[in-house]
Amino acid sequence: AQSVTQPDIHITVSEGASLELRCNYSYGATPYLFWYVQSPGQGLQLLLKYFSGDTLVQGIKGFEAEFKRSQSSFNLRKPSVHWSDAAEYFCAVGSGYALNFGKGTSLLVTP
Amino acid sequence: DADVTQTPRNRITKTGKRIMLECSQTKGHDRMYWYRQDPGLGLRLIYYSFDVKDINKGEISDGYSVSRQAQAKFSLSLESAIPNQTALYFCATSDLQQNTGELFFGEGSRLTVL
Repeated sequence: AQSVTQPDIHITVSEGASLELRCNYSYGATPYLFWYVQSPGQGLQLLLKYFSGDTLVQGIKGFEAEFKRSQSSFNLRKPSVHWSDAAEYFCAVGSGYALNFGKGTSLLVTP
Repeated sequence: DADVTQTPRNRITKTGKRIMLECSQTKGHDRMYWYRQDPGLGLRLIYYSFDVKDINKGEISDGYSVSRQAQAKFSLSLESAIPNQTALYFCATSDLQQNTGELFFGEGSRLTVL
């Protein structure tokens, strides 16, 4: 069965610092991979997705993620975090009929 | 207007009451979903539907039922609400033609059961 693990429940970074959020998945076939963001009191917005091809994908708001098949990982990165990036981030793997989500990582940005 | 609309956005009810959450979409997608979000648990799939005649249980369907009234409408019912159904509920759609599972979410319905 497919599963998604986000090892970090909470992460705190200083504004302007770099960010990496970890995501590991378990899936038998080539996965479809997603990162969603949920700002406080808001719904979920797609940051980026990986279906095939170039393993480094660019998303909105300056985010990128790298698919590493050998490590079963799809980590999210941003070179310089802004205070408005404080939110909850969800990694998800798609099977073709639904998405299976990780439990999320809550990002706090300090001045 | 939002492509995926959920009503109500907020609801407070009492234990034992029947509650319906409604979802409508203008994206023209065949697939519709209901997820539940709880702090620390992420999003969990309740039910999903691939067309009007196709309804499937997700991982946490106990205590819930759904109705796909039309391609664009998918409602979630709690026949007798209990406090541990207090959560944020999301409706979502996906495109059968893409078949990747990418979801398009509504803004959520926050349900509190007292």
